[in-house]
Amino acid sequence: GDSVTQMEGPVTLSEEAFLTINCTYTATGYPSLFWYVQYPGEGLQLLLKATKADDKGSNKGFEATYRKETTSFHLEKGSVQVSDSAVYFCALSTDNAGGTSYGKLTFGQGTILTVHP
Amino acid sequence: EAGVVQSPRYKIIEKKQPVAFWCNPISGHNTLYWYRQNLGQGPELLIRYENEEAVDDSQLPKDRFSAERLKGVDSTLKIQPAELGDSAVYLCASSPRTSGRVETQYFGPGTRLLVL
Repeated sequence: GDSVTQMEGPVTLSEEAFLTINCTYTATGYPSLFWYVQYPGEGLQLLLKATKADDKGSNKGFEATYRKETTSFHLEKGSVQVSDSAVYFCALSTDNAGGTSYGKLTFGQGTILTVHP
Repeated sequence: EAGVVQSPRYKIIEKKQPVAFWCNPISGHNTLYWYRQNLGQGPELLIRYENEEAVDDSQLPKDRFSAERLKGVDSTLKIQPAELGDSAVYLCASSPRTSGRVETQYFGPGTRLLVL
């Protein structure tokens, strides 16, 4: 079945440091890949996505590139801010149009990011 | 545009009691999802609706969980009777349903359930 593995957390950084959160996946079909973020006390929000190999998703200074050859979708940001402190989830959804698994998001376990001033 | 609305936000019950969660999706979104998120883990799908039809309920523990989406809009998820292991955050999400690639899912704030 489909699965997503994220790097072990939590991650603690100083403001303006470089961020990488690793994500690898296994999928039976051709997945779309997502990063969701959960700020304290709030619901999950889509951060960025990529739907085919070599696509780069980007938003709010975050980037992730869909690497089919390494089955990875690592999240990066060049300079983190205190306001980036949150839980980050990597997820995939298999494009299995018409199948029962269509649209089902499979999530990683989440990575807690804390950024200190 | 209003987001996905869920209620209640928090619920504390004793084991063996029933509990229900309500979700109102984004207007016009045909697809509705219920996920369960255990502490320290990512959400896991319980059930997916296309309009009023449950098209994927393979992960729903049917002995104690039930769900409905009357008229293809609001949805209710019920647990009866609740067990200690049901303590979790229950998330509702919705997405527009179009042919082709997977659509983005929009999540509500969740209902945090504690079973004592």
